[in-house]
Amino acid sequence: KQEVTQIPAALSVPEGENLVLNCSFTDSAIYNLQWFRQDPGKGLTSLLLIQSSQREQTSGRLNASLDKSSGRSTLYIAASQPGDSATYLCAVEDAGKSTFGDGTTLTVKP
Amino acid sequence: GAGVSQSPRYKVAKRGQDVALRCDPISGHVSLFWYQQALGQGPEFLTYFQNEAQLDKSGLPSDRFFAERPEGSVSTLKIQRTQQEDSAVYLCASTLRVVQETQYFGPGTRLLVL
Repeated sequence: KQEVTQIPAALSVPEGENLVLNCSFTDSAIYNLQWFRQDPGKGLTSLLLIQSSQREQTSGRLNASLDKSSGRSTLYIAASQPGDSATYLCAVEDAGKSTFGDGTTLTVKP
Repeated sequence: GAGVSQSPRYKVAKRGQDVALRCDPISGHVSLFWYQQALGQGPEFLTYFQNEAQLDKSGLPSDRFFAERPEGSVSTLKIQRTQQEDSAVYLCASTLRVVQETQYFGPGTRLLVL
């Protein structure tokens, strides 16, 4: 059974700092990995999707990497802003079924 | 609106009641997914449709849970004889074609069973 772990569970940083969120998964037979953002009381917003054949994706200040063989992904956020405060979730997909981690709750202090 | 919509947004049910949760995916999206999210946890997969076909229902926790998508667009998740442990946020997502694509999520339905 696929298991996804995200470390740390919570993170607080001052504005402007660069930071890394970690995601690990136990079964490397995945189709893709997605990083999502979830604001309190809201649904999930997809940030980046990395196909299993890819090693990284970038969007603005966000960069996600995937190392399938070691079962790890990282989400790098550059020059963090208070508006980045949210819960960040990673999910791995295998044939339509996605398994999520429990997320990292990020607080960026002005 | 162009996004995924869900209704109702909030539902309070007495234990033993039946409830029906509705999901309107983005128009033209082929695949539709249901998830259950407990407080402080990530979403847990329930079931997945491709058009009207339910391809995977392995995540449904019991036979009290039933999902359908009869015309390949709107989907309904039905929970019979609700129990307190069913209290959670139920999320719906859709993708344009088959899997391996970006999932677009609705805002969720928050179910509270008393």
